[in-house]
Amino acid sequence: KQEVTQIPAALSVPEGENLVLNCSFTDSAIYNLQWFRQDPGKGLTSLLLIQSSQREQTSGRLNASLDKSSGRSTLYIAASQPGDSATYLCAVPAEGSSNTGKLIFGQGTTLQVKP
Amino acid sequence: GAVVSQHPSRVICKSGTSVKIECRSLDFQATTMFWYRQFPKQSLMLMATSNEGSKATYEQGVEKDKFLINHASLTLSTLTVTSAHPEDSSFYICSARKNIQYFGAGTRLSVL
Repeated sequence: KQEVTQIPAALSVPEGENLVLNCSFTDSAIYNLQWFRQDPGKGLTSLLLIQSSQREQTSGRLNASLDKSSGRSTLYIAASQPGDSATYLCAVPAEGSSNTGKLIFGQGTTLQVKP
Repeated sequence: GAVVSQHPSRVICKSGTSVKIECRSLDFQATTMFWYRQFPKQSLMLMATSNEGSKATYEQGVEKDKFLINHASLTLSTLTVTSAHPEDSSFYICSARKNIQYFGAGTRLSVL
């Protein structure tokens, strides 16, 4: 059964720092991996999607990498800003190499960027 | 981008009442939608897969008679929490897939 773990659970940094969020998964046979952002009491916003054949994806100040063989992904946030404060979730398909749409989520990293 | 609308955003009800939550895909058709539940400080847990025109598929441990799902059209799925009790208080989020997963804004259910 696939399990997704995220560390750290919480992170507080001063504005301007570069930071790395970690996600690990137990079954490396994944179709893709997705990073989401969740603001308090809100739904999820997709940040980056990495297909199983890809090593990384970039969007603005965000860069996500994927190492399937080791079961790990990292989300790198450059030059963090207070507006980046949110909970970041990673998710993989529940049925491994299939893309049924069912996702298993990590417990998230709650990020606070202080001005 | 694709938009998924969820309504209501917040509901407070008395114990024993039923609550209906709607999930709509606004600019695309979704034969499959997903319902998740999120307890405070915890991650999202998949409850069920809503299938247009057929029965929903529930995850292990989710009571199908408690959480009724109807997917009557290609753009609408509803989740009804029947005879709600305080332990059903949670954040419910739906999603639909158009290439990637798009999520609704969630519904905060508080059962008194």
